Amino acid sequence: NAGVMQNPRHLVRRRGQEARLRCSPMKGHSHVYWYRQLPEEGLKFMVYLQKENIIDESGMPKERFSAEFPKEGPSILRIQQVVRGDSAAYFCASSPVGQGGTGELFFGEGSRLTVL
Amino acid sequence: DAKTTQPPSMDCAEGRAANLPCNHSTISGNEYVYWYRQIHSQGPQYIIHGLKNNETNEMASLIITEDRKSSTLILPHATLRDTAVYYCIVRGSNTGNQFYFGTGTSLTVIP
Repeated sequence: NAGVMQNPRHLVRRRGQEARLRCSPMKGHSHVYWYRQLPEEGLKFMVYLQKENIIDESGMPKERFSAEFPKEGPSILRIQQVVRGDSAAYFCASSPVGQGGTGELFFGEGSRLTVL
Repeated sequence: DAKTTQPPSMDCAEGRAANLPCNHSTISGNEYVYWYRQIHSQGPQYIIHGLKNNETNEMASLIITEDRKSSTLILPHATLRDTAVYYCIVRGSNTGNQFYFGTGTSLTVIP
């Protein structure tokens, strides 16, 4: 059973470009979470999605950031018009149960975005 | 979700037990205590979780005080590969509760 797969593992963008980060959850998991980790800091919750629905986006910046988890295909975190402050590691996690359960999250290895 | 307080860093000799404390004095009745760790810059890894009883698995033991205001993660025989940042998280089982990671404890296992 493959783990949570994230790609690309490393992404370099210039200021003003768009970044797209992909996350394929573990098989059988329909709940996906995105976290951001700035250098030397802890993980910050961004958004929680189920298939085709955003459940909680309270940690997502209001502008330039969006997330989706379509019926088919991976979850995508999209950052438009990137700025240097967006440079961070972005981690995706999945779980077989939603927020109402006590199950743990399974994390991917992260996508590291560098904005020049 | 209740906040947690952890020491920023700890050292442990290789082969000894590592005892990592966590205070969660505002924990409520339906909130679980979870422990994760992050080795270098890898994705966080689940270790263990519990509600009020002590728990043990192949990785660690979790000791929760009777009043549930604090807990201790025990790595019985620390190895160099256990060097990581350890996060203590309190999370409710109700809809709307997230895993919120603090700054954790940076554990260094010394040869």
